[in-house]
Amino acid sequence: DGGITQSPKYLFRKEGQNVTLSCEQNLNHDAMYWYRQDPGQGLRLIYYSQIVNDFQKGDIAEGYSVSREKKESFPLTVTSAQKNPTAFYLCASTGKVYEKLFFGSGTQLSVL
Amino acid sequence: AQSVTQPDIHITVSEGASLELRCNYSYGATPYLFWYVQSPGQGLQLLLKYFSGDTLVQGIKGFEAEFKRSQSSFNLRKPSVHWSDAAEYFCAVGAGDDYKLSFGAGTTVTVRA
Repeated sequence: DGGITQSPKYLFRKEGQNVTLSCEQNLNHDAMYWYRQDPGQGLRLIYYSQIVNDFQKGDIAEGYSVSREKKESFPLTVTSAQKNPTAFYLCASTGKVYEKLFFGSGTQLSVL
Repeated sequence: AQSVTQPDIHITVSEGASLELRCNYSYGATPYLFWYVQSPGQGLQLLLKYFSGDTLVQGIKGFEAEFKRSQSSFNLRKPSVHWSDAAEYFCAVGAGDDYKLSFGAGTTVTVRA
């Protein structure tokens, strides 16, 4: 079945460490997104990508980085510069501009 | 840059009563507007969307929303809520052709018997 796979489901980061969250889709979608979900703050856009080898900063990109080397993959790195990384991270994709987003099941990142 | 505001953090409604969730957006041109719902322990599900045309749009689960350009609003309504409508609701706005889609902070709906 087609869908979006995020891994791992739970991730722990030590101080000063970079961690990478995986997002893979087999829906043949061009656009992919990363959102951060915090209680009371909704979903905040970190980065998004319209096509391979191209991506744009969202509303809260500081402390994060992404790459889009393959259509199917859009990994998110949470760098040590992100001082408050504890959150639930959601990856999403869509095939056409502003059509329905398909979401992954999320990764819960916590700081040790 | 576009932005979206959901003024109500939490709404409690009795089962069978009507529900209205507010959403205000900021964008110079006509935006693309969406409502998503996230039920406890579930992923986000698209309820409805507005691109153009008829300003009253019908969605799934008996929901509808009305686009009002003069008020920069896209409020979600349901005439009679069911206990299963208890969830968090998110309004989202897209603008331009660059795929950027921003969500509001969400409104949590509690349904009492």
